[in-house]
Amino acid sequence: AQTVTQSQPEMSVQEAETVTLSCTYDTSESDYYLFWYKQPPSRQMILVIRQEAYKQQNATENRFSVNFQKAAKSFSLKISDSQLGDAAMYFCAYRWGSNYKLTFGKGTLLTVNP
Amino acid sequence: SQTIHQWPATLVQPVGSPLSLECTVEGTSNPNLYWYRQAAGRGLQLLFYSVGIGQISSEVPQNLSASRPQDRQFILSSKKLLLSDSGFYLCAWSVLGIQGDTEAFFGQGTRLTVV
Repeated sequence: AQTVTQSQPEMSVQEAETVTLSCTYDTSESDYYLFWYKQPPSRQMILVIRQEAYKQQNATENRFSVNFQKAAKSFSLKISDSQLGDAAMYFCAYRWGSNYKLTFGKGTLLTVNP
Repeated sequence: SQTIHQWPATLVQPVGSPLSLECTVEGTSNPNLYWYRQAAGRGLQLLFYSVGIGQISSEVPQNLSASRPQDRQFILSSKKLLLSDSGFYLCAWSVLGIQGDTEAFFGQGTRLTVV
């Protein structure tokens, strides 16, 4: 069964600095997708970034980038120039091919200190 | 643009009472629809998904059921709530692209407390 593990329940970062959130996953599939979602205090899930497993290039969205290591089954999220609005729970998620089910990790609570 | 509406935002219900949570999507046709539950300190667990009207797949056997009476409407129900049904419920949608299902887009969620 596919599993997603986020080993850091909580992280903190100073405003304007960089932080990396870790995620590992277990799968025997070769065609899959990985996502990072942000859940602020409002509780709405917001897509931050997605990565297709067949793409070697790491995805980037403005200040957010990933380090996708397929062989190691690792998918970390780097947030550069952290802002107070980045404070939230961050979830790593996995989806296999055309399967509909998203498997989520348990999340990492990110605190941004002014 | 596509939008998703989910209501109510909060709900307090007594044990044994019925439940109906509603979700509607605008701006897209034939979306895939999902109900997730988020328990405290955990990630999201998929409860149901639907690829079309009247087509419901259940991921977890439980006290809940889902229905899709219209293309862009998804309803989560229960005949008799249990204390263990308390949690945060999220509706989501996606569409089938060339390379399979796209990412999921979520509603604002419903906080259900069963007392």
